[in-house]
Amino acid sequence: EVQLVESGGGLVQPGGSLRLSCAASGFTFSSYWMHWVRQAPGKGLVWVSRINSDGSSTSYADSVKGRFTISRDNAKNTLYLQMNSLRAEDTAVYYCARDAGGYCSGGSCHSGAFDIWGQGTMVTVSS
Amino acid sequence: SYELTQPLSVSVALGQTARITCGGNNIGSKNVHWYQQKPGQAPVLVIYRDSNRPSGIPERFSGSNSGNTATLTISRAQAGDEADYYCQVWDRTGVFGTGTKVTVL
Repeated sequence: EVQLVESGGGLVQPGGSLRLSCAASGFTFSSYWMHWVRQAPGKGLVWVSRINSDGSSTSYADSVKGRFTISRDNAKNTLYLQMNSLRAEDTAVYYCARDAGGYCSGGSCHSGAFDIWGQGTMVTVSS
Repeated sequence: SYELTQPLSVSVALGQTARITCGGNNIGSKNVHWYQQKPGQAPVLVIYRDSNRPSGIPERFSGSNSGNTATLTISRAQAGDEADYYCQVWDRTGVFGTGTKVTVL
């Protein structure tokens, strides 16, 4: 069964750090681009970050650039999101998602649909 | 930055057709994907690249995209279709629509 399982969420104080993990199974993890998407309580979906299949290319939403770092360990079939300098507005459920067909062409990269999602992990930033 | 606008809510009678719009500047030139999210659950992909259905998604779900508007159509609406629906494109970064709550009456 194709599956993504997030972990690592919790309560953290403003300015603190947290590392989320996303364990993949049931597919060849190293062949797929991956994303993080978050959803604040009662709000809509917001894209956070993307990494290509070998980890050599990443991109971030402006709201997290310089504070969050996406990475992956293809040997462990695991995606990560290191979150530093956390703010109250980072409070959300964080989902990892598989990219169905990302590619780069002519110097620009394009992601496909997010075809597999994890169940999400809750991050609460509060004192 | 690129923005996608959806109606806040759409109501549809049981068995009738619901249409959810997603507005964006020249969205017809982009690949649009649609997600269904039920309360307390992760999103599920229901349409990819404008009009394609993933395996397991009923034929009642269809999509189109032209000009400045993409549309998700749910035919013969069922109670189980009640959910939030989000459109999404890639424009140097991921962009989600504002989301539409579908209510089946």
